[in-house]
Amino acid sequence: QQQVKQSPQSLIVQKGGISIINCAYENTAFDYFPWYQQFPGKGPALLIAIRPDVSEKKEGRFTISFNKSAKQFSLHIMDSQPGDSATYFCAASQHLQGGGADGLTFGKGTHLIIQP
Amino acid sequence: GAVVSQHPSWVICKSGTSVKIECRSLDFQATTMFWYRQFPKQSLMLMATSNEGSKATYEQGVEKDKFLINHASLTLSTLTVTSAHPEDSSFYICSAAHGAGYEQYFGPGTRLTVT
Repeated sequence: QQQVKQSPQSLIVQKGGISIINCAYENTAFDYFPWYQQFPGKGPALLIAIRPDVSEKKEGRFTISFNKSAKQFSLHIMDSQPGDSATYFCAASQHLQGGGADGLTFGKGTHLIIQP
Repeated sequence: GAVVSQHPSWVICKSGTSVKIECRSLDFQATTMFWYRQFPKQSLMLMATSNEGSKATYEQGVEKDKFLINHASLTLSTLTVTSAHPEDSSFYICSAAHGAGYEQYFGPGTRLTVT
């Protein structure tokens, strides 16, 4: 059972455009939703994350939109640049009762290409 | 801040041998460390969770006797792949979290190739 569904699988955007990646989750216990960027042969790097108590979070060119009732969240990359070309993963986890975070459940990833 | 290192970055070993991978949090104390596996062009899959001084908790389908995890200190966790086989060839990535925080910081990964 895939608990976090990510789309599209691949995306091509022109330089300067907006890249949009969507994720949907099933487990209502999830309360932390990060996005990671991964370059080939490297570990994933945390881009931005959101908790369910807000509907939107913006950091620089990156924005997360969160819809709790629909159990969906999305990443928007404004003014996309060739250097943004990478694989992007959404993920979700839940806070443990005793404190600390649980392991992350990842989406399948989106291969983003920004054309110059 | 929040830097996590892994060693080695890549390793090639013969089938039947064991390989140890180290994960270190360089500038913070990691109360919890996680181990993930990533096959080519696929997503990351959680293998196990380890808390300092406690036994690791393994995800369903992950053999605890094959993937030995030790979290001996707040800055070091090790993953030992015992009796490695070609199907264990993968990209192994650790992450670390501190205190009650949600954020996980990932290491650069270790590419294991079993011949």
